[in-house]
Amino acid sequence: NAGVTQTPKFRVLKTGQSMTLLCAQDMNHEYMYWYRQDPGMGLRLIHYSVGEGTTAKGEVPDGYNVSRLNKREFSLRLESAAPSQTSVYFCASSYLEGSGIQYFGAGTRLSVL
Amino acid sequence: GQNIDQPTEMTATEGAIVQINCTYQTSGFNGLFWYQQHAGEAPTFLSYNVLDGLEEKGRCSSFLSRSKGYSYLLLKELQMKDSASYLCAVRDRDYQLIWGAGTKLIIKP
Repeated sequence: NAGVTQTPKFRVLKTGQSMTLLCAQDMNHEYMYWYRQDPGMGLRLIHYSVGEGTTAKGEVPDGYNVSRLNKREFSLRLESAAPSQTSVYFCASSYLEGSGIQYFGAGTRLSVL
Repeated sequence: GQNIDQPTEMTATEGAIVQINCTYQTSGFNGLFWYQQHAGEAPTFLSYNVLDGLEEKGRCSSFLSRSKGYSYLLLKELQMKDSASYLCAVRDRDYQLIWGAGTKLIIKP
């Protein structure tokens, strides 16, 4: 089992450029999450999805859009990247709603210049 | 506001025992979770507590006191591969995870 797969692993963008981060899980989980991780701070929830076609805002949703493409895939889009969005982005999934046991992808390291 | 505090960094010796503390103030409580994160890798689930007391799993134990808003992760017989960051997370009343910044554990031979 691959678990949770994220692409790309690394990316450098210029301010104002757009990009989409992709996440896929093969564990048949209903619930999927996008987090960002910054030095000295805990993981912060950007958006999450409780099932195909449904999404909800997390703690820091501004500047990000998400789409739950199907049960397996959950994408995160930056329409106009800003330097403040330089971060490591993690996708996670869980079997139960509100579960504290989440399975994470390897992360996408994004730099916005 | 919601707050989770952990020491930023700790150092321990191979073969020894280390205790990593976590204190929290959150809007509601529905469990406390510990994750391990090696540098440049994904967090992986280690342990969780919902009720007060000690949960033991191999070389890893986690303790919870809800009245004190306090937990610790105890790692025994430390190995070099235990060098990692350890993340404490609390599930609040809305069943959202609130994460601490993590404790970087350095193991010395």
